[in-house]
Formats: sequence, C-alpha cells, structure tokens
Amino acid sequence: EDQVTQSPEALRLQEGESSSLNCSYTVSGLRGLFWYRQDPGKGPEFLFTLYSAGEEKEKERLKATLTKKESFLHITAPKPEDSATYLCAVSGYSSASKIIFGSGTRLSIRP
Amino acid sequence: NAGVTQTPKFRILKIGQSMTLQCTQDMNHNYMYWYRQDPGMGLKLIYYSVGAGITDKGEVPNGYNVSRSTTEDFPLRLELAAPSQTSVYFCASSTFSTGSNQPQHFGDGTRLSIL
Repeated sequence: EDQVTQSPEALRLQEGESSSLNCSYTVSGLRGLFWYRQDPGKGPEFLFTLYSAGEEKEKERLKATLTKKESFLHITAPKPEDSATYLCAVSGYSSASKIIFGSGTRLSIRP
Repeated sequence: NAGVTQTPKFRILKIGQSMTLQCTQDMNHNYMYWYRQDPGMGLKLIYYSVGAGITDKGEVPNGYNVSRSTTEDFPLRLELAAPSQTSVYFCASSTFSTGSNQPQHFGDGTRLSIL
C-alpha cells in the first residue's frame, strides 16, 4: 500500500533561518512526487513535481530534492510570507489515477 | 482564468439532510477528484473521475455519491448527512499524461458543518 509520512508536523523558524522538511514515501513504482503549499482557508497550490531519484527543482527560496525513499523541501533564508502548510503527495503505478497525500508540515516564520 | 470553482463556500446542515457540493473547472481537464480534509490531517480521496461518464471510489466513499455528465462538472452528493461528514471538501482537476501523473489544481474548498 502506498504511504506518505511528513515530518516534522510543525516547525517554527526565525526569519532567515534555513531548514528542511521531510517526506518519506513507500510506493510500488513512483509515477510522481508532488509538493504543494496550503494557506489557511485556501486549497493547496502546486509547487513542484519530481519524477526520479536525483532530480531537483527550485523556486525562489524553495528547493525540492528526491531520493528513492524520501524527498526534502529545503527552505533557504525564509521570510514570514513563507508561513504555510506544506503538503507532499505521491502517485504510484499500483494506485492508478490516485494521489496519496501526507498530513503536512505547518511552517511558521517569525519576523 | 477561473480554474476550479467550488460552491457553496460554507454550509451548515442538520443531521439527515441532503445536499450537493458543486465543482466546475474551465481547463478542459479529464481527471477530477473530491477530497475531504479534517483539522490537522492530510487530504483523503472520496471519489475520482478520469473522464465524462466514468467515476470510481477513493479511500473514503461511504455516505457520498458522484456523477460526471460533462468534462467541466463533477458534483458531490451527500444523501443523509452525519456529524462525521463535518469537514472541508476540496475538488481538484488535472490533465492526463501517459506514464506519469500531472499536478492537480484545487478549488478553495467548501466548509461543511453537520449539526
């Protein structure tokens, strides 16, 4: 059964303090790993798709990386506007069209 | 571009009442999904559709029904509302790509309370 576990559940950082969020996954044949950002009262907003181990993608202060068992979302010199919940999701060949979501990491950046 | 539009944004129901949550997308996406998100939890798939006339169950389908008569619309029906169905409901859509999944585009959700 495909599974996604995110850690930590919550993370509080000072503005400018870099850190990483973890997404561990179990899937039989990875079709894609997705990162989303979710602001309070809003739907998830797509950030990145990673398809194979070793792949990396960047967007502003965010960088996503992928290994065969986990993905990291690195946040460099975060700003208060980066505060949100970050969701990881995977799609595997055994789950057809379904995408399995983790429970998310709530990130808070203090000015 | 409107993207994925969900209505209503908020609703309070009494136990045993019925309602339909509406979802429409203007991106000509084949795939559409319904999720529920409980406080502090991730998204759980209720139903999904890979095209007009085709629907299938997700992880938590009990108590819900769907239909997909057009590419644009994917309504979710609650027949006999129960307190356990209090949640935030998200609709999403995506394109199809052979061999890999494309990212989903989400609406802003319907916040539903069953009292």
